[in-house]
Amino acid sequence: EIVMTQSPATLSVSPGERATLSCRASQSVSSNLAWYQQKPGQAPRLLIYGASTRATGIPARFSGSGSGTEFTLTISSLQSEDFGVYFCQHYNTWPTWTFGQGTKVEIK
Amino acid sequence: EVQLVESGGGLIQPGGSLRLSCAASGLNVSSNYMAWVRQAPGRGLEWVSVIYITGLTYYADSVKGRFTTSRDNSKNTLYLQMDSLRAEDTAVYYCARVPSGDYGDYWGQGTLVTVSS
Repeated sequence: EIVMTQSPATLSVSPGERATLSCRASQSVSSNLAWYQQKPGQAPRLLIYGASTRATGIPARFSGSGSGTEFTLTISSLQSEDFGVYFCQHYNTWPTWTFGQGTKVEIK
Repeated sequence: EVQLVESGGGLIQPGGSLRLSCAASGLNVSSNYMAWVRQAPGRGLEWVSVIYITGLTYYADSVKGRFTTSRDNSKNTLYLQMDSLRAEDTAVYYCARVPSGDYGDYWGQGTLVTVSS
């Protein structure tokens, strides 16, 4: 089973600053990676798929990069509504998925 | 507009059974890959099951042999039959549309299942 490891566990960022979240796979997942945002009491919201393609309606301040085992989600200028937990998910070993444990983004 | 609405959660004793429903609007469950994902309280996300357009189903090892995913095309509803429930099955269960069997782009609001005596 491919293990997804996210870092840091918690990230405190001031509004307007850049936030950089990392996701590492225990073996290559090519570009078969998605990112989600989840707010308390809500379902996950798809942000990025294919490692770098923004989902419909996702603001341009969200960007994804990487391939193989190292991936990054960048929020270029953090807005107050961007707080929440961010999960990465690989889908390289179809049909099973594995999620990372999440990075909590706090507004400083 | 796509809407997925889960129901059927609740408190159930260990060893019991429960059937979750996911009523869809704005899409046809019969012509989409659909998945179940769960989240234990305060924990991360865990993939549970997927049903293909063909009707083929796959399950996580943790639920294989105990959970069954099905759909009723006439009701446009996805189901998760959960048998032999264990305390570790306690979670919020989400259904999701999966465009090509890979990631979830539309999600329901979730339904809470609590397995406890």
